[in-house]
Amino acid sequence: GAVVSQHPSWVICKSGTSVKIECRSLDFQATTMFWYRQFPKQSLMLMATSNEGSKATYEQGVEKDKFLINHASLTLSTLTVTSAHPEDSSFYICSASPIGSGNTIYFGEGSWLTVV
Amino acid sequence: RKEVEQDPGPFNVPEGATVAFNCTYSNSASQSFFWYRQDCRKEPKLLMSVYSSGNEDGRFTAQLNRASQYISLLIRDSKLSDSATYLCVVSPGGSYIPTFGRGTSLIVHP
Repeated sequence: GAVVSQHPSWVICKSGTSVKIECRSLDFQATTMFWYRQFPKQSLMLMATSNEGSKATYEQGVEKDKFLINHASLTLSTLTVTSAHPEDSSFYICSASPIGSGNTIYFGEGSWLTVV
Repeated sequence: RKEVEQDPGPFNVPEGATVAFNCTYSNSASQSFFWYRQDCRKEPKLLMSVYSSGNEDGRFTAQLNRASQYISLLIRDSKLSDSATYLCVVSPGGSYIPTFGRGTSLIVHP
């Protein structure tokens, strides 16, 4: 299947700092990528839809100024958690669908963020 | 009513058992259906797509019932390694944004 790479896999940061997570589609192009957050033992929660060359679309309740999304190319989307706080500690996952795949979704490996 | 609903379980079954999960969806215009498997602390991975006529992949069989708006996953001869959370994903035509169920937890014990 298609490969989506996410980096870093693990990150620990101090409260108040910013953290950038990258999501790359390695062998296909994606005009749209999705960012999710998952707390322990809970379901995936869609945070935003990242659109190449335009602004991201955020889900209700997700602060766009706190979770900055940039989709600079057809193979790269980044999520920056700004002024991180301990409650932002979570598992962040990106996903993408190859064009023409019939909406089949491939996930990145996920990034575990711990804010101390 | 939630867009995609799954029984969270857990389903606790012995090795070799047959187990089935259902997933109901509310959007009758939904076009694409999938089952994903998520292991603890890992990302979801595609298990299989669900086709209108039903499809099988080894021990796994997926069915779609459009009239009743649900999809199902049947696992035969359960293995210990099948223990995971199974997520159903429904994607409407056009808008493309997929909707996830909260997942059904399966525990296969010796």
